Amino acid sequence: KNEVEQSPQNLTAQEGEFITINCSYSVGISALHWLQQHPGGGIVSLFMLSSGKKKHGRLIATINIQEKHSSLHITASHPRDSAVYICAVRSRGGGSNYKLTFGKGTLLTVNP
Amino acid sequence: DTEVTQTPKHLVMGMTNKKSLKCEQHMGHRAMYWYKQKAKKPPELMFVYSYEKLSINESVPSRFSPECPNSSLLNLHLHALQPEDSALYLCASSQDGAIDTQYFGPGTRLTVL
Repeated sequence: KNEVEQSPQNLTAQEGEFITINCSYSVGISALHWLQQHPGGGIVSLFMLSSGKKKHGRLIATINIQEKHSSLHITASHPRDSAVYICAVRSRGGGSNYKLTFGKGTLLTVNP
Repeated sequence: DTEVTQTPKHLVMGMTNKKSLKCEQHMGHRAMYWYKQKAKKPPELMFVYSYEKLSINESVPSRFSPECPNSSLLNLHLHALQPEDSALYLCASSQDGAIDTQYFGPGTRLTVL
């Protein structure tokens, strides 16, 4: 079982819809990252969270440490938001502060 | 400047070739990473350098040889690769590796014939 589970695996939306992608993890973490990858492209770091909520433009990320759960929300979605969204966690403790454990990603398609 | 650059963008090589991938950042970050990503899969960590010293080697075959000549540069030397090594190779950097954002480069798309 992957330590980081994302849902849904695939998501299709109409332009303008509110989108939520979920991430659950099973280990104690020091930080959680939300990343975006367009097809064939590099990765862009959207957020890094250790508590609470962050907002950047139309993107909002929340984390509940007690429930080991994070959500990424996109308001007023647009076709250019179509990408794979990846949740990654940095485990707490041990020598591997550098190592991220990745979820399998959520493929988002926003249709015009 | 919050950019990590990688060259080349694409690389095709034969199994007997020797080639190198290059990664550069000028953000003053002291941790740099190599990841390998196969199609429709998440990235897999290969190596981490911290303060120019190899900190993590995720049991990567010796045909991949990393090098960190200085704090801004990270190379990945390739020799005698196999077709299954074809993938997107991503470089990333972070301030010092603790609770830090990793900044990723655009990747090098490698094809081994």
